[in-house]
Amino acid sequence: SAVISQKPSRDICQRGTSLTIQCQVDSQVTMMFWYRQQPGQSLTLIATANQGSEATYESGFVIDKFPISRPNLTFSTLTVSNMSPEDSSIYLCSVERALNTEAFFGQGTRLTVV
Amino acid sequence: TQLLEQSPQFLSIQEGENLTVYCNSSSVFSSLQWYRQEPGEGPVLLVTVVTGGEVKKLKRLTFQFGDARKDSSLHITAAQPGDTGLYLCAGDPGAQKLVFGQGTRLTINP
Repeated sequence: SAVISQKPSRDICQRGTSLTIQCQVDSQVTMMFWYRQQPGQSLTLIATANQGSEATYESGFVIDKFPISRPNLTFSTLTVSNMSPEDSSIYLCSVERALNTEAFFGQGTRLTVV
Repeated sequence: TQLLEQSPQFLSIQEGENLTVYCNSSSVFSSLQWYRQEPGEGPVLLVTVVTGGEVKKLKRLTFQFGDARKDSSLHITAAQPGDTGLYLCAGDPGAQKLVFGQGTRLTINP
């Protein structure tokens, strides 16, 4: 398993501002994943962050809105830019064990945009 | 189109009852996983099923993988209030990333 620390755990932000979420893993991992979980919904993959290369974004998500950094093998950040109330969600980072792609998650960041 | 269809999406039952949650797909998965998520937390892995027809038990929870590896079920016996949570199935369709079902929000009433 992996221990994943995410911060902040929650925030309330003004529309038009940006928030950067940090994710720290207790071991080196090749890929880190960022998910969005809208209220009452399941998880939707935003992007995959590989160390040393640009993140790979899923359909419907763009780098200008969700820039990602991956400076080393244990850390990543996701920025939610120019926020609107529609961005209010839980944002989760995860890592996967290569065998069977089992995922381990941080506790999530609950973002409310007002 | 949802790659993994979960049903039911909401379930509220009394303590002591049994229940089954289903996860279906038209695609074949090399493995499927079940997670439980509680409020304010990220999902936590419960089990991975790998072999078609496989059955795994975790105390009162029984997980089954369909013979064709396209579906899975989670059965809870004698449900308890501590079983309350969001149950998610997930699998890798071959792209080295997980897709999740819509989730089943389970409430066990004392």
